[in-house]
Amino acid sequence: EDQVTQSPEALRLQEGESSSLNCSYTVSGLRGLFWYRQDPGKGPEFLFTLYSAGEEKEKERLKATLTKKESFLHITAPKPEDSATYLCAVGGDYKLSFGAGTTVTVRA
Amino acid sequence: DADVTQTPRNRITKTGKRIMLECSQTKGHDRMYWYRQDPGLGLRLIYYSFDVKDINKGEISDGYSVSRQAQAKFSLSLESAIPNQTALYFCATGTKGSNEQFFGPGTRLTVL
Repeated sequence: EDQVTQSPEALRLQEGESSSLNCSYTVSGLRGLFWYRQDPGKGPEFLFTLYSAGEEKEKERLKATLTKKESFLHITAPKPEDSATYLCAVGGDYKLSFGAGTTVTVRA
Repeated sequence: DADVTQTPRNRITKTGKRIMLECSQTKGHDRMYWYRQDPGLGLRLIYYSFDVKDINKGEISDGYSVSRQAQAKFSLSLESAIPNQTALYFCATGTKGSNEQFFGPGTRLTVL
């Protein structure tokens, strides 16, 4: 059974204070690792897909990296609008298994 | 814009009532999914459908049923709602050959 664990559960940052979120996974056959952003009261919004160890993707202040056992979402010089819950998921057989998420709060 | 819509957005009901949540999409995707989200547990898959005639149970299908009325419509039913089905419910879509999924805005269901 695919398992995804995210840490920390919550992260409070000062504006401009860079940090990283962790997603560790066990999966029988990885068909992609996915990062989503979820704002309160809304559905998850797709951010990145990573397929192989060593791959990196960037979008604005976010950068996702992948190893054979975990992925990191790096937030560089965050702004208050980066406050959200970030979800990690692994794909297999065209289904996704999600972690519980990391809630990031960025204070001005 | 191509989109995934869910109705209703909020629903309060009583134990034992039958409830239907509806999902429609204009993305032209063939695959549709229903998830529930509970605090601290993340999203869990209830049912998924790869096309109109292909419907499959997910990890937590007990107490739920689904209907794929057309490629663009996928509804979730709770035949007899119970309080531990209180949760956020999300519909998602995807395409053949990809694991990427696109989510609707969610339905907040409260069972008293």
